[in-house]
Parts: sequence; structure tokens; C-alpha cells
Amino acid sequence: DTGVSQNPRHKITKRGQNVTFRCDPISEHNRLYWYRQTLGQGPEFLTYFQNEAQLEKSRLLSDRFSAERPKGSFSTLEIQRTEQGDSAMYLCASSPRRDNAEQYFGPGTRLTVT
Amino acid sequence: KQEVTQIPAALSVPEGENLVLNCSFTDSAIYNLQWFRQDPGKGLTSLLLIQSSQREQTSGRLNASLDKSSGRSTLYIAASQPGDSATYLCAARFLSGGYQKVTFGTGTKLQVIP
Repeated sequence: DTGVSQNPRHKITKRGQNVTFRCDPISEHNRLYWYRQTLGQGPEFLTYFQNEAQLEKSRLLSDRFSAERPKGSFSTLEIQRTEQGDSAMYLCASSPRRDNAEQYFGPGTRLTVT
Repeated sequence: KQEVTQIPAALSVPEGENLVLNCSFTDSAIYNLQWFRQDPGKGLTSLLLIQSSQREQTSGRLNASLDKSSGRSTLYIAASQPGDSATYLCAARFLSGGYQKVTFGTGTKLQVIP
């Protein structure tokens, strides 16, 4: 296993379309996180899974956003009716279950909404 | 609410200089602090993780310190090289709403001039 992978790496979509991103964590990691990063800012927490359970959602995650991790392995983040303000880098990270563990990040998916 | 600040936002140094990057956090009850490197358009690469019980961590030319009482962490880079040019982010892990959360700073963009 070479690390956290994300697909696609880049996505350009028109306003109003739906998009879905995928994250494959490091195989033995049962914690998975989604972040959003805009230009010149640090990543902002969106949501967190432990196995298949979504334990926390940020208020940044509007009703148009939904995340799943159906089998406790890969996760998907869907954005419905995209808006130009959704343009950002979407980052996924994973970590082992133990507390205070280090997070390992994927390369990110850059979304551009035109 | 935990806030993490990194000053300066940008730093330019000649090759070979030693330098210090700063990270401040408002809530001293952190679990750990992690330093990352981010190259343009890429994901985050973990550099060092300091647990709350530790005062410093070292990896190669990098040394990170943590002072919880003053709410500060520093990343020291010795003998800087052009390949060190990147944005450096710090992230504090703390307890909020029953779960551990991670808050990032906005980063320091480092340029090492050959």
C-alpha cells in the first residue's frame, strides 16, 4: 500500500451539476477525514468517519454535501448542485484508530466550478 | 474555539540559512501538534508530530518544539536548501464536542533562494 489515494485528481464542472470524489485510505487505517482547502488557506475540517460510521460533520458541510463510507474502506464525497463557491481542493486523510495518531493525506481532488 | 495562527505568511531566505517557522494556538489543551509541508497544487506531507507530553521532535534537518503553556510551536530548519521551498502548515489536535478535531493554520510560504 503506497498511501492515501484520491480520484479524480482534477474535476471541472458547470454550476448546477453533481460531482462525486473518491478516497481510498491506507488499508489498515479505520479513521478517515475529509477537508476542504481554498487558495491561501489551511485545510478546513468537513467530516470524519470511524469505520463506516460518520461521527462528525462540520457546519461547513451544507445539505448539498454528503459523504459515505459504506464498507469502512473507501469513502465518497458528493456535492449536489455545485456552486462556484465550491471550487477548492478537497483533501482526504486517514489514520489508525489509536488516539493522537498521525494523519496521512492524499494528493487531493481539485474542483473547479465554472 | 481553537484558533491556529502562523506568522509570517511568507518568508524568503538565501540557501544555507537556518530558519524558524512559528505556530500559535489559543487553547493549550491540545493532544498533539503536527507539521506538514505542501507543494503547490499538491496534498500534505507529514513532517513531524509532537504529542502533548513531548517538548520536541527531530527528523534530519528539521526540529519541532512545543510549548503548551505559551501556546506555541516552532519548526526549525537547518541549512536550508532550494528543495525546502514549499508552504509549511501546522495543525493542532484538540477535543471538541466529544471528538478529537484538527485545526490548521494558514501556513507559511517559504522560498529558499539558491
